Amino acid sequence: NAGVTQTPKFRILKIGQSMTLQCTQDMNHNYMYWYRQDPGMGLKLIYYSVGAGITDKGEVPNGYNVSRSTTEDFPLRLELAAPSQTSVYFCASSYSRVANTGELFFGEGSRLTVL
Amino acid sequence: AQTVTQSQPEMSVQEAETVTLSCTYDTSESDYYLFWYKQPPSRQMILVIRQEAYKQQNATENRFSVNFQKAAKSFSLKISDSQLGDAAMYFCAYNTDKLIFGTGTRLQVFP
Repeated sequence: NAGVTQTPKFRILKIGQSMTLQCTQDMNHNYMYWYRQDPGMGLKLIYYSVGAGITDKGEVPNGYNVSRSTTEDFPLRLELAAPSQTSVYFCASSYSRVANTGELFFGEGSRLTVL
Repeated sequence: AQTVTQSQPEMSVQEAETVTLSCTYDTSESDYYLFWYKQPPSRQMILVIRQEAYKQQNATENRFSVNFQKAAKSFSLKISDSQLGDAAMYFCAYNTDKLIFGTGTRLQVFP
């Protein structure tokens, strides 16, 4: 039961570097999401996708890009990393609109530090 | 814009006692879901309980129950017979298309 798998779990970046957080799910879920969680805060939605080839911005999309070429994979790209992007990143998926099913399945998170 | 407010940054409870975590939300929608998620130190997000807005009956899952007041836009979580393993961050969340989280309440459980 792999569920939602994120890699890497930890990463340190220098200011201006770029990297991709990988996310894959094996539940054949149409909907996938990227959240960030800053220390002591709740989760904020970065980007989401309702199916392969379709992506949309969430609350805090600036500085990030996503793609959804397959149902299984939803990578998050950080271009020109900044200290403000230091956070824990969560990928999640759901079978259909969360309004219908009500549940997200989360990965274990990726802790990113930008120095 | 939809917002979710958790006004208690920290709460504590004695083992075996009952504790209630508060949550309010703001929306103009009539049909939506509300959730409580638990985040232990492992960072994993675990669904505790969910409530569908059109249902009058309060949801219950074992020791966890909610008090859903739709008119007041209030959605509190009651944990009965608290256990040491209940210690975690608890997030209230609201959704129509996307899940919007509150800032969380850190629950400490003392033996």
